[in-house]
Amino acid sequence: GAGVSQTPSNKVTEKGKYVELRCDPISGHTALYWYRQSLGQGPEFLIYFQGTGAADDSGLPNDRFFAVRPEGSVSTLKIQRTERGDSAVYLCASSLIGHRGELFFGEGSRLTVL
Amino acid sequence: GQQVMQIPQYQHVQEGEDFTTYCNSSTTLSNIQWYKQRPGGHPVFLIQLVKSGEVKKQKRLTFQFGEAKKNSSLHITATQTTDVGTYFCAGPIDQGAQKLVFGQGTRLTINP
Repeated sequence: GAGVSQTPSNKVTEKGKYVELRCDPISGHTALYWYRQSLGQGPEFLIYFQGTGAADDSGLPNDRFFAVRPEGSVSTLKIQRTERGDSAVYLCASSLIGHRGELFFGEGSRLTVL
Repeated sequence: GQQVMQIPQYQHVQEGEDFTTYCNSSTTLSNIQWYKQRPGGHPVFLIQLVKSGEVKKQKRLTFQFGEAKKNSSLHITATQTTDVGTYFCAGPIDQGAQKLVFGQGTRLTINP
């Protein structure tokens, strides 16, 4: 595709539910990032993939958060037992050469936990 | 917590005035990137600086990387309403780590 695609654009769920957020990066980009952005804050790093493997998952806040990228392209961020504090915009970005290069961000998935 | 700090957090100017945002890192950076996020939008890459003391210009925008590679600035000359948004700096904080750490951003609003 022309850019990074994220679905859903909006997700409203109840506390305790499970959610999946999907990211389809730019074709050919081997590096993929997940960030979380709360209102008025900068993007907060969650996890970075180089190819299929999670090269750095140090930003995942706890074990309720998990992300996969099984074929080195599409990635899914999975959040178990959602809490109200998980409400934020989840941004996906892809890059040709990781943190040494430009990140292309998707429009984000806005998650609201009631 | 954040290891990349930006000041000011907010800036309101009259159209035509200049604007500057400053970025400071707790550690030396191999490179620094700047992004712009329009209200309701997503961050969009503006530029990357790599060399110590580097200065780059994009029309009315001037970007500078400090000699020690721990600070950077973005200066906009004669702001226009299209400059409205939040400006973020970002850098790879830890040597060998893969994450790009963003500052908290400077939100620019402009009175036309």
